[in-house]
Amino acid sequence: ETGVTQTPRHLVMGMTNKKSLKCEQHLGHNAMYWYKQSAKKPLELMFVYSLEERVENNSVPSRFSPECPNSSHLFLHLHTLQPEDSALYLCASSLGTSGSEEQYFGPGTRLTVT
Amino acid sequence: GQNIDQPTEMTATEGAIVQINCTYQTSGFNGLFWYQQHAGEAPTFLSYNVLDGLEEKGRFSSFLSRSKGYSYLLLKELQMKDSASYLCAALQGGGFKTIFGAGTRLFVKA
Repeated sequence: ETGVTQTPRHLVMGMTNKKSLKCEQHLGHNAMYWYKQSAKKPLELMFVYSLEERVENNSVPSRFSPECPNSSHLFLHLHTLQPEDSALYLCASSLGTSGSEEQYFGPGTRLTVT
Repeated sequence: GQNIDQPTEMTATEGAIVQINCTYQTSGFNGLFWYQQHAGEAPTFLSYNVLDGLEEKGRFSSFLSRSKGYSYLLLKELQMKDSASYLCAALQGGGFKTIFGAGTRLFVKA
């Protein structure tokens, strides 16, 4: 248990569906991250929020829409996804606002797009 | 450009020492992370180096040479539970952008 939880743990969705991934951290951290991890590929940074403000958007398609309503919660809203979006989506948090602190990862949501 | 290179797989024997190398090319480099990831689990933090030199933490040590764009993770007294993927990641300066390598899968055999 890292103090970062993600729901759901597994999700299967059709290309026309809309769904949301949820991340919650219980560590009092100020920064939260979304990553995509595909088989045999490096972990890809998608978005970063620091103090609830988006500070990184790593050229992610608009079918992925993040939301950070407060420093403890992070959402990833999904719509009209493609099969190549099937992957493990990891949420992480870090304490400070500089990027140089260790990140604590949640267990991930395994997403399958059919 | 941005590039992180590390070997795909390594095999070592229980009780031995193994060194996992990582070379990087990133703009505005601001430090190098190592994470461990067991199969089916989330990555967990091992080390962060921003200055040149070796940092030791128990059985694990991490080295950085900024001038050579090179880092390594040294694992001593290998145990079976050390079988995992080891991810090298470079932090781009001034922000939160962390660029990960594809990871090195380490197999520890008896």
